[in-house]
Amino acid sequence: GESVGLHLPTLSVQEGDNSIINCAYSNSASDYFIWYKQESGKGPQFIIDIRSNMDKRQGQRVTVLLNKTVKHLSLQIAATQPGDSAVYFCAEKNGGFKTIFGAGTRLFVKA
Amino acid sequence: DGGITQSPKYLFRKEGQNVTLSCEQNLNHDAMYWYRQDPGQGLRLIYYSQIVNDFQKGDIAEGYSVSREKKESFPLTVTSAQKNPTAFYLCASSPGSSGANVLTFGAGSRLTVL
Repeated sequence: GESVGLHLPTLSVQEGDNSIINCAYSNSASDYFIWYKQESGKGPQFIIDIRSNMDKRQGQRVTVLLNKTVKHLSLQIAATQPGDSAVYFCAEKNGGFKTIFGAGTRLFVKA
Repeated sequence: DGGITQSPKYLFRKEGQNVTLSCEQNLNHDAMYWYRQDPGQGLRLIYYSQIVNDFQKGDIAEGYSVSREKKESFPLTVTSAQKNPTAFYLCASSPGSSGANVLTFGAGSRLTVL
């Protein structure tokens, strides 16, 4: 069935280092992918998205990479800051209404 | 400021009681959604609505009910039939329900059954 999963449930990085959060998806028909950030006690917030006809998309300090061959998605955060500490979810859509969320990765930033 | 307002933020319920969670948006979005989040887990879809006076069941609709009488409002009722209602409930909206539409979330409502 459809699923979106994450390789690591937690990630700890030093402030100033780059962070890489990985995500695997199983539905080859998915054509749109989104990363959300959820801080404690709050709702998820949109970070960046990418369509399936792209391999890479950059935002402010964030980059999303898509490898359709191995059904892999990653979120790279440059110069990680304490404010980046949160749970990060990847999500996928296949043109329909449903957004499928992964279980999330918790990012800890050490000062 | 445009956004989604959920209330109450915290709610305690006795077993056997129904409770209703409020969700209001002023983004003029057509589609609205309710998700449930359990500790350490992702979001699971309860119900969604693509347009006023229409809604569909998501993956875990049993024990829940919704209504969509107004475009800006999508309340969720957690009924006594829901066997394990303690969770964090998130309401979201999007301009449309299909295609490349990003979800905008509210701050959530945490329900605890005593």
